[in-house]
Amino acid sequence: DSGVTQTPKHLITATGQRVTLRCSPRSGDLSVYWYQQSLDQGLQFLIQYYNGEERAKGNILERFSAQQFPDLHSELNLSSLELGDSALYFCASSVALQETQYFGPGTRLLVL
Amino acid sequence: DQQVKQNSPSLSVQEGRISILNCDYTNSMFDYFLWYKKYPAEGPTFLISISSIKDKNEDGRFTVFLNKSAKHLSLHIVPSQPGDSAVYFCAAKDFSGNTPLVFGKGTRLSVIA
Repeated sequence: DSGVTQTPKHLITATGQRVTLRCSPRSGDLSVYWYQQSLDQGLQFLIQYYNGEERAKGNILERFSAQQFPDLHSELNLSSLELGDSALYFCASSVALQETQYFGPGTRLLVL
Repeated sequence: DQQVKQNSPSLSVQEGRISILNCDYTNSMFDYFLWYKKYPAEGPTFLISISSIKDKNEDGRFTVFLNKSAKHLSLHIVPSQPGDSAVYFCAAKDFSGNTPLVFGKGTRLSVIA
């Protein structure tokens, strides 16, 4: 158990819908990262937050947005969902910007 | 453009023998490398890392070798155990530039008893 929690574990929704994925980092970790893993793909970096501020952005679609709250938990919002958004979404956290990242168990999203 | 490549999607090894997982990278700015292990239905777990000032780092049964001139790193597991069966991801970053981790697509290791 990495100490990073993600909810929900599974999510099934329809195209065009909007969903919110939630992540609670390890106690004491200030940095949160979001990754997407599609079938047969590596983990694609989406976005990073540090102590509430956005610090780095990867190939995140405009339909996706995220935020980190004062209690340091983070939410990833996915809207106007398409079939191709079906994937595993992982959250990771680290103490500081350059430290080792610890991953949550992921949320499996299926868009029908 | 894949900056981190794991060219072997899968690898089978006999229990007790050595497992060697390979990773190549193209970005010469990468100076910090990590290996993660992933079991089904779980998130990746950090295994071992190496910075570009070293060419080898060892942690128990796991050793990572870095060949900067060839832009190649490898993970050696000796001896391999059935519990090592998992997907292994190589990741790299430009540490000083505070860039995000770039992951390879992973290699599925099966250790056969």
